[in-house]
Amino acid sequence: QSALTQPASVSGSPGQSITISCTGTSSDVGRYSLVSWYQQHPGKVPKLMIYEDSKRPSGVSNRFSGSKSGNTASLTISGLQAEDEADYYCCSFTTSTTYVFGTGTKVTVL
Amino acid sequence: EVQLVESGGGLVQPGRSLRLSCTGSGFTFGDYEMTWFRQGPGKGLEWLGFIRTKIYGGTPEYVASVKGRFTISRDDAESIAYLQMNSLKTEDTAVYYCGRVGKAAGVDGFDIWGLGTTVTVSS
Repeated sequence: QSALTQPASVSGSPGQSITISCTGTSSDVGRYSLVSWYQQHPGKVPKLMIYEDSKRPSGVSNRFSGSKSGNTASLTISGLQAEDEADYYCCSFTTSTTYVFGTGTKVTVL
Repeated sequence: EVQLVESGGGLVQPGRSLRLSCTGSGFTFGDYEMTWFRQGPGKGLEWLGFIRTKIYGGTPEYVASVKGRFTISRDDAESIAYLQMNSLKTEDTAVYYCGRVGKAAGVDGFDIWGLGTTVTVSS
């Protein structure tokens, strides 16, 4: 099972919107509505931001949204803030009854 | 407070074994699938495996790269999940996290993470 493909880095200015893509296959991202996204600040524990493609856990800002089209899922951060600077990982359930993470994206707030 | 705490990490020689523990509190441990991850130095997250709840057989699944070397088990009476790691290699050096699959709480994602425990494999 190969890692899902994410851009290595994405940047934006405060207040802007950015989108991180996560490309898999019809055996993972495209097969189930089970893509989740995690935010990880340096030296910290990952935090669930989006689950089941587009749902937000309680307490997560509505500036974070998830979507999916075919084999590609996306995480959009609107109204970018300095505190959003972190690494972001997507994750999908697969037809092998396993999970696979994406390669990770470093978000920089300019 | 819902939390997970890992323990058992440390320095181990190549070829040796190590068992990590993940103790849960603040929730009904047996209602949740539990999973293990790792993150090598400067690297991304890697999913290692999970164990189903007893209702669904309590059986584990693993990523291909550790199948046969790593074993996940659970003791619901003690609210502990284990990761038994055998024949350790230098490339197994990482921070190991356990996590809860939050399906029983209506959140089908890894909603609770432990702080992690560091495993260093070196001679």
